[in-house]
Amino acid sequence: AQSVTQPDIHITVSEGASLELRCNYSYGATPYLFWYVQSPGQGLQLLLKYFSGDTLVQGIKGFEAEFKRSQSSFNLRKPSVHWSDAAEYFCAVGASNQGGKLIFGQGTELSVKP
Amino acid sequence: GAGVSQSPSNKVTEKGKDVELRCDPISGHTALYWYRQSLGQGLEFLIYFQGNSAPDKSGLPSDRFSAERTGGSVSTLTIQRTQQEDSAVYLCASSLVRGPQETQYFGPGTRLLVL
Repeated sequence: AQSVTQPDIHITVSEGASLELRCNYSYGATPYLFWYVQSPGQGLQLLLKYFSGDTLVQGIKGFEAEFKRSQSSFNLRKPSVHWSDAAEYFCAVGASNQGGKLIFGQGTELSVKP
Repeated sequence: GAGVSQSPSNKVTEKGKDVELRCDPISGHTALYWYRQSLGQGLEFLIYFQGNSAPDKSGLPSDRFSAERTGGSVSTLTIQRTQQEDSAVYLCASSLVRGPQETQYFGPGTRLLVL
């Protein structure tokens, strides 16, 4: 069965610093990978997704993620964090034999220090 | 255009009562999903609908939970005889069609509190 692990429950970074949020997945074939962001009281918004092709994926709000098959990882990065990036971030995996349902990680809460 | 909407935004109920949660997907989206977000369990898939096909109910936690989608649009998630462990945020999402490559657009959720 597919699973997703986000090892960091909570991360704090200073505004302007770089950010990397970790995501590891378990799936036998090439997964469909997603990063979503959830601001307080809001629904989830898609940041980026990976299905195939170039392993470095660009998303909205200056985020990018890199798919590394050998490490079963799909880490999210941003070179310079803004205070408005404070939110909860979810990594998710979909599978072709599971319809469209997504399996989510536990989430990483990001705090940004001024 | 309008996104996914859910109602009510908040619901407080007493243990043992039934509740209905509503989801209006994006117009033209044929696939609709329900997820539950709770402390300690994270985000869990509950059920999805695709057009007129039989729904995938594999994520429903018990037979107290049911959902329907009328006319291929609006969906209602019903929880009968609510328990305190049902307290959670219930999120609805829709996508153009079913498939792992499709982007799911999420609503703001219904926060359910069972006293």
